[in-house]
Amino acid sequence: EVQLVESGGGLVKPGGSLRLSCAASGFTFSSYSMNWVRQAPGKGLEWVSSISSSSSYIYYADSVKGRFTISRDNAKNSLYLQMNSLRAEDTAVYYCARPLGSGTKRYFDYWGQGTLVTVSS
Amino acid sequence: EIVMTQSPATLSVSPGERATLSCRASQSVSSNLAWYQQKPGQAPRLLIYGASTRATGIPARFSGSGSGTEFTLTISSLQSEDFAVYYCQQYNNWPPCTFGQGTKLEIK
Repeated sequence: EVQLVESGGGLVKPGGSLRLSCAASGFTFSSYSMNWVRQAPGKGLEWVSSISSSSSYIYYADSVKGRFTISRDNAKNSLYLQMNSLRAEDTAVYYCARPLGSGTKRYFDYWGQGTLVTVSS
Repeated sequence: EIVMTQSPATLSVSPGERATLSCRASQSVSSNLAWYQQKPGQAPRLLIYGASTRATGIPARFSGSGSGTEFTLTISSLQSEDFAVYYCQQYNNWPPCTFGQGTKLEIK
């Protein structure tokens, strides 16, 4: 059974940092690219970042470029999101999501339960 | 960036009736369109990909149609567990993939 379990969320002050983790199991993690998608309270879904299976290709939404860093450790079956210079508008539930599809055309077939990040003074 | 627009924002339908949800893309996404269902406090769940292919385990009452810029999700006979928020997502032009703002399907 595919499982994605996020952790690391919490309350942080504006300008602060936080590192999210996603532990994957039930599939060959090293064969899949992985993504972070977020959802602000009461709002819709926003794609945040993507990393290829070997970390060769990394992409970010414009809203987080230069502040967030995605990474992975295939030996530990884990995905990470280092979030720096956090702003109030980064407040959201952050989901780890596994994409399916081919090439750059991918949708998300498995999602974690999410971890809440609150940026507030 | 491709903008996805869903309508209506809220749809009120009685159990047993049909629900039709719409999604429009600001430019063609071919058939690279997915639908997700999200219930309160839960992660999104994949329903449809490729505009019309049901994901594993999704009941046949869910169907998707369309291509290019106009898409529809139809739920043929609403069950109590179907009342939720539905999102469309284009994955033709990545990055970024983009989502619609959601349609809330509520009990009439």
